[in-house]
Amino acid sequence: QSVLTQPPSVSGAPGQRVTISCTGSSSNLGADYDVHWYQQFPGTAPKLLIYGNDNRPSGVPDRFSGSKSGTSASLAITGLQTEDEADYYCQSFDSSLSGVVFGGGTKLTVL
Amino acid sequence: QVQLQESGPGLVKPSQTLSLTCTVSGDSIRRGVYYWSWIRQHPRKGLECIGYVFYSGTTYFNPSLKSRVNISLDTSKNQFSLELASVTAADTAVYYCAGAKGFCSSSSCLNRRFDHWGQGSLVTVSS
Repeated sequence: QSVLTQPPSVSGAPGQRVTISCTGSSSNLGADYDVHWYQQFPGTAPKLLIYGNDNRPSGVPDRFSGSKSGTSASLAITGLQTEDEADYYCQSFDSSLSGVVFGGGTKLTVL
Repeated sequence: QVQLQESGPGLVKPSQTLSLTCTVSGDSIRRGVYYWSWIRQHPRKGLECIGYVFYSGTTYFNPSLKSRVNISLDTSKNQFSLELASVTAADTAVYYCAGAKGFCSSSSCLNRRFDHWGQGSLVTVSS
């Protein structure tokens, strides 16, 4: 059971908008710790996609955006493309565990 | 651009020690910018932070693994290493090394952001 809860899977058609939620608690997202998001394709390492709740590293398309409010965060992908099909993970810090925590991951399927 | 590459045995016997090395290029581990980290991913599962070490000596180990884990730096080779003792089949996973930056909120700088990742090394624990 992950400290940060994500839906196991989401799906959408090309061109649509999808969101992936990341639900935490008062010891992580609710304690003002920022959330980061990673994208992972099968057989490859995760890649930083969003950092500090809503910032994109250089090279990440602006179709990807993040937000955070209270104990929850979301990753939104607009103009969905087939190449967006991947696993997505949220990550933050938990003060009760005194360490970095990841969500369980969400598999995005582009129909 | 920082690049990381894991190396080590792909097969370890139960009760033995898993040892992996990460070679860093594109940056000096002595520069004090990154927390040098190990993260693992069990088959078809999510990510788990094993721990990290900073050049100053600051370390963090996942409480669930703390009694069995050590992470050390070899500045002469620009490498860092993971040792996980007394392994069982539950330690079978892909092990990633990563470079993480400290990330500050309004109240602390304890969060980490994993900027650079190695390609991963599958380690199977089996007799």
